[in-house]
This record gives sequence, structure tokens and C-alpha cells, in this order.
Amino acid sequence: GENVEQHPSTLSVQEGDSAVIKCTYSDSASNYFPWYKQELGKRPQLIIDIRSNVGEKKDQRIAVTLNKTAKHFSLHITETQPEDSAVYFCAASGTDSWGKLQFGAGTQVVVTP
Amino acid sequence: EPEVTQTPSHQVTQMGQEVILRCVPISNHLYFYWYRQILGQKVEFLVSFYNNEISEKSEIFDDQFSVERPDGSNFTLKIRSTKLEDSAMYFCASRGVRGTQYFGPGTRLLVL
Repeated sequence: GENVEQHPSTLSVQEGDSAVIKCTYSDSASNYFPWYKQELGKRPQLIIDIRSNVGEKKDQRIAVTLNKTAKHFSLHITETQPEDSAVYFCAASGTDSWGKLQFGAGTQVVVTP
Repeated sequence: EPEVTQTPSHQVTQMGQEVILRCVPISNHLYFYWYRQILGQKVEFLVSFYNNEISEKSEIFDDQFSVERPDGSNFTLKIRSTKLEDSAMYFCASRGVRGTQYFGPGTRLLVL
């Protein structure tokens, strides 16, 4: 089955700096890669997603890149703000798995003012 | 904006008791999921449900677990005889045709 690895496990950045989180996946059939942000005690919230027919997607300060050959994808947050502090999870899903999401272990991002 | 809702928000139960966790998916969604998250760990897939039947389940989803869509709006997860290790946050999720899964607020289950 699919296995998703996520690094780093914790990331501390100064406000205004960029944050990058990287994930690798094992199943070449995976074709959908969402990123979720989870604040303490809250539900995971989708922040951006990318499909395998696209190499990069951007939404304001957030961007995701996908390298299908290397089977890795990354989340980039620019101009970080204290409210970006949360746990970020990457996930992967394939067409033959009824949309089941396989999550990475999460990255605790702390943005210090 | 429509959201997935879940009840109860917290549930405390004794080991061996049955619990039913309830979810109301987004109304026009067709695919439904249950995930769990043990404190401090990643979100783990339990089961997916489509067209009134289980489409996929994980190794965690053993005979103690069952899911049901008893009417047109609710989606339930039943744990027949709870164990200490079932203590976790349980998330329901739903999606339409496009693939984006939306998560409910979760039910925190504590088994004593």
C-alpha cells in the first residue's frame, strides 16, 4: 500500500521567512496530493491540493510542487505569519483506492514574531 | 459554506461498552470516510463508504467496527466493544466527485 513520509517533524521560522515541508510517496499510482492544516484540537483543514497532471499550484502565500518522477511533493509558505503556526499534514490518494487518504506524520510549524 | 458535522464532540465510555459516533456529511457528497487520530500522531484511514456499502477498509477496521448510513443524512461508526486503545479523535470526512475531502470537527473518544 501507499506510504507517505514527511519531513521535517518540527519547523521553527521567524515571521516573514519562508517555510518548506517535504513529502515522499511510494505508490506511483497516487494522483492526488492534498495538504491539510490542523490547529490544536481542531479538524484538519484543506489548504491546497495538487493533482498529478500539474507540476505546481499556488494560492496567495501557499504553493505546492509535485515531482512525479521522484515521487515527492512539497509545501511552500512564504511571508509566514504567527497564524500559520499549526501542524501540517501531507497526504496522497490514488484512483483505485476510493479516495482513501494516506497521511504523512505531520510537521509542527512554529512561527515566532 | 456547508460543513461536515459530528456528534458528540466528546465521549467517555467504559472498556467493553458500545459507542456510536455520528456524522452528517455535506449534503450532495457521495463518498464518506472515517479516520482516527491518536493523540500526537498522524491521521489514519479506517473505512470508506460509497453507494451504501464499504468500499475499502484498513487493518484497524476489524470486526468490532461497523458503519452505517441509516437514512439520507447520517453516517455512523459503531465500535461494538471498546478497548483502551480505541481512545482517539475520530474524524468523519466526505467528498463529492472532485476528490477534495472535507473533515468534520471530530469526536474525542476516551475509553476507561
